[in-house]
Amino acid sequence: AQSVTQLGSHVSVSEGALVLLRCNYSSSVPPYLFWYVQYPNQGLQLLLKYTSAATLVKGINGFEAEFKKSETSFHLTKPSAHMSDAAEYFCAVSEGGTSGTYKYIFGTGTRLKVLA
Amino acid sequence: EPEVTQTPSHQVTQMGQEVILRCVPISNHLYFYWYRQILGQKVEFLVSFYNNEISEKSEIFDDQFSVERPDGSNFTLKIRSTKLEDSAMYFCASSGSPGAEQYFGPGTRLTVT
Repeated sequence: AQSVTQLGSHVSVSEGALVLLRCNYSSSVPPYLFWYVQYPNQGLQLLLKYTSAATLVKGINGFEAEFKKSETSFHLTKPSAHMSDAAEYFCAVSEGGTSGTYKYIFGTGTRLKVLA
Repeated sequence: EPEVTQTPSHQVTQMGQEVILRCVPISNHLYFYWYRQILGQKVEFLVSFYNNEISEKSEIFDDQFSVERPDGSNFTLKIRSTKLEDSAMYFCASSGSPGAEQYFGPGTRLTVT
């Protein structure tokens, strides 16, 4: 079974500083990878996805992620943090089943705090 | 922009009671999912549904749980006899094809007392 590891359950950065949220996956086949953001008391919003096209994926709100097969990583970055980026971020890998449908395996999440 | 909707946003129920959580997926989507998130924990897969039947279910999805698509728009999750440990946020999701991104609803917070 596939798995996702997010290092750092809490990350704090200063406003304007680089944001780096780490995600490592384990998969025996080329994965589909996703980053979702969850604002307080809200649902999950897709930030970006990797589906085996370009290894550098750009998403919404200035976020991007780079797929590195050799490191089995899909880290999320943003050059300059904004106060509105404070949220919880989830990395997920899509796992196919025998039925042909796919389910997400989520990481444990990283709560990002942005300091003024 | 089309979105997944869920009702109610918050449900409080007593242990042993039945609850039905409702979802309206995006209209042209064919694949439907339920996930749950216990407070402070990660989001966990419960069940996937396609072509009017369950495609896959997790170990969490035991006989107390069932899903149904009673009409062309709603997708429901029923918990027959709720337990305290069923307290969680339940997310519905839908996708247009098997490997495509899943669109999540805002969730239903279920509190079992």
